Parts: sequence; structure tokens; C-alpha cells
Amino acid sequence: EVQLVESGGGLVQPGGSLRISCAASGFSISNYWMMWVRQAPGKGLEWVANIKEDGSEKYYVDSVKGRFTISRDNAKNTLYLQMNSLTAEDTAVYYCATGGAVGNDWGQGTLVTVSS
Amino acid sequence: IVVTQSPGTLSLSPGERATLSCRASQTVSSNYLAWYQQKPGQAPRVLIYGASSRATGIPDRFSGSGSGTDFTLTISRLEPEDFAVYYCQQYGRSPHTFGQGTKVEIK
Repeated sequence: EVQLVESGGGLVQPGGSLRISCAASGFSISNYWMMWVRQAPGKGLEWVANIKEDGSEKYYVDSVKGRFTISRDNAKNTLYLQMNSLTAEDTAVYYCATGGAVGNDWGQGTLVTVSS
Repeated sequence: IVVTQSPGTLSLSPGERATLSCRASQTVSSNYLAWYQQKPGQAPRVLIYGASSRATGIPDRFSGSGSGTDFTLTISRLEPEDFAVYYCQQYGRSPHTFGQGTKVEIK
């Protein structure tokens, strides 16, 4: 069974940093592009970033460029999102999903709250 | 590419037909347009990709159509479990933008 489990969310102060993870089981992420999508409370979906199977290509939405870094460890079957210089506008549930474009399998999400 | 969905809310009864619209600000290359369903407290679920191809396990009452800049999701006969929020997403050009969503609610 394909399973994606996000972790690492929590409360962080404005300007702070956080790294969230997405552990996969039931399949190997090394065969898939992967992506992060976020959803602010009560709002719609926003595509954040994606990464190629071998990590050689990465793409970001403009609002996070230079602040967020997507990475992966295929040996650990885990996807990451390093988030720096966080602002209140980054408060959201962060989902990881298989696929670089169409999200086929999704995790349950992890909530990141940026507040003082 | 900006993606705009209409209407914002659709109030219908079970058994009725639902027609949801999605318009892109530029031509979506290769009709790379997907539709998702999201229920409260759950992750999204892909319904349609490539504008008209149903994802695995999706009932045939869901259908997608359109090309270029105008796309439609049709639910032929609403079942109780279909009342949810629906999002379209273009993935022809990065960033892979979503529409703001259409809520299908019980009338």
C-alpha cells in the first residue's frame, strides 16, 4: 500500500526556519517526481515545488524562491522541504504528493504555523 | 498562468447534473489540466488528468472536457459523496497553478 506521511510541522516565529519531511512506504520514491502543495487555513491549494527523480531538477512557485529548498533522499525514501525566512503568509497545511505535476498519491499533511 | 474557476459555489440536489468551469489566462499546453476533489479534513484526490482522462478508480459519472483555455468537469448524477470542493490545476507550465475551487453543496 502506498503511504506518504508528513512530519515536522509546528509553530515557528516569523523569520524562523523549519524542515518538514515526507516519508514514503509501499513504493520507491526514486521512480517518481515528487512535489509539495500547501493550503492556508480555509483557503485553496497552492503548488509550492517539485523535484525530479534524481534531484537534478527543482522548480518553485515565485513566492518561495530563495527561501524554500526541496530535496530528497532516495535511500531513505524521504522527501524534504527546508523553509527559511518564514512569514505569516507561509502558514498552511503542507502536503507531499507523488508526481511532479499531477498529484496521484497524497499524504495527510502537516500544519506549519508562523506566528509570534 | 492564472486559473479561474466558476461558479464559486454550486447548490444542487442528489441526482442532478453538475457542470464546473475552469478558465486559464493562457493556452494550457497539451491540455495539461487536472481536476481534484477535496473533502473537509482530507487531502485532495485526483479525478481527471490530461483534461479528459479519468484517474484510476474514478467513477464514470465524472468526466472532463475542453481544450486551450476553457475546461469543464461534469458530474452526470450527483451522489451524496460527491458534495465537496473541486479544484482544477494546469500543469503545462511551471508553476503548476490551481484554481480557487468550486464548492458543490447540497441544495
